[in-house]
Amino acid sequence: DQQVKQNSPSLSVQEGRISILNCDYTNSMFDYFLWYKKYPAEGPTFLISISSIKDKNEDGRFTVFLNKSAKHLSLHIVPSQPGDSAVYFCAASARAGTASKLTFGTGTRLQVTL
Amino acid sequence: KAGVTQTPRYLIKTRGQQVTLSCSPISGHRSVSWYQQTPGQGLQFLFEYFSETQRNKGNFPGRFSGRQFSNSRSEMNVSTLELGDSALYLCASSLEGPPVRNEQFFGPGTRLTVL
Repeated sequence: DQQVKQNSPSLSVQEGRISILNCDYTNSMFDYFLWYKKYPAEGPTFLISISSIKDKNEDGRFTVFLNKSAKHLSLHIVPSQPGDSAVYFCAASARAGTASKLTFGTGTRLQVTL
Repeated sequence: KAGVTQTPRYLIKTRGQQVTLSCSPISGHRSVSWYQQTPGQGLQFLFEYFSETQRNKGNFPGRFSGRQFSNSRSEMNVSTLELGDSALYLCASSLEGPPVRNEQFFGPGTRLTVL
């Protein structure tokens, strides 16, 4: 049962254009969402997060949008750069007491072309 | 400040064997989480340790176990290896408290191949 879904396994975008990566979730208890970037042979790197009390969070070229009613979030990268080429994972958590865990999507491979 | 380190980086085992993977968190980090990454399943949560106690656990069979030492270093063990256990095993550390409220820092992973 995949509670966090990234339905696009890959995405190709030209340098300078906008990259939009999408993520859907099914668990209405999720209240915190994160995006990670992963290069080959390296561990994932935290990019940006958003709490369920917000609908947008921005950090430089990266913006995450959350639509709770649709159970959908997206990551926008503007402008896209070749160094952004990586696998992007969406993750979510449902706080339960003091313990919590991240549920990850299967990832989207972004290729930024020249 | 040194990052999260994992040893070994690569490992080849045969079915039925057991394996132990090690993770050293960033200095001062008390929470360590383990994940399994496979091509079709993405990253799946195994367990989280905080102050030597398992605080949260994913949906993996009992063959997968872990522990944390007083210096916050953690090990995970997989017994009676199966072919399907071939994966990249990632360790992540965070300062304290529920890791999702703090940034998790991942290590480079241990690539386990079961033949």
